Amino acid sequence: GIQVEQSPPDLILQEGANSTLRCNFSDSVNNLQWFHQNPWGQLINLFYIPSGTKQNGRLSATTVATERYSLLYISSSQTTDSGVYFCAVERGSNFGNEKLTFGTGTRLTIIP
Amino acid sequence: DGGITQSPKYLFRKEGQNVTLSCEQNLNHDAMYWYRQDPGQGLRLIYYSQIVNDFQKGDIAEGYSVSREKKESFPLTVTSAQKNPTAFYLCASSLTSVLQGEQFFGPGTRLTVL
Repeated sequence: GIQVEQSPPDLILQEGANSTLRCNFSDSVNNLQWFHQNPWGQLINLFYIPSGTKQNGRLSATTVATERYSLLYISSSQTTDSGVYFCAVERGSNFGNEKLTFGTGTRLTIIP
Repeated sequence: DGGITQSPKYLFRKEGQNVTLSCEQNLNHDAMYWYRQDPGQGLRLIYYSQIVNDFQKGDIAEGYSVSREKKESFPLTVTSAQKNPTAFYLCASSLTSVLQGEQFFGPGTRLTVL
């Protein structure tokens, strides 16, 4: 199956700092999603981004499908940004029915 | 208020007992999914359903069973055959049944086997 690797595994930053999280995947994809898992376990959708660039407030994401990676940018970090960030991909297929494969996540801790 | 609900939030069971986790959605989504998350890990797919009365095994289906009698509901039963059932269980849904499309998640159920 498709492999999904996220880096770094852990990141500790001061409030106000910027950060870049990376997701590498081993095959072509039809779907790529970024999620934020909050301390209560809820998975919050950040971006649905199989290719291109999107922005939502302080967050933006870029997927370069031909080079098999995606980046999540967080600017002016706040303590509420703390949690685990997951990248999940669906392998490209002409037949559909492919499952979403998750990376192991990046744990982000923002210090006041 | 549209969304995905899971109940209960916390569940405790004794070894050897079956237990059923509830997942309901009012988003009119065709596809529904069950994932398991262990501490410090990503999510792994247990079962998924693309349409009513049909479902497929995911990567770790052993010891679990599901049903899809209604579009809105996709309950998961953790049976006594599941060797290590203590985990966080997440239900998700997506609009399309072909190319899965964007998935949305419920709040999860934490199951602890005593």
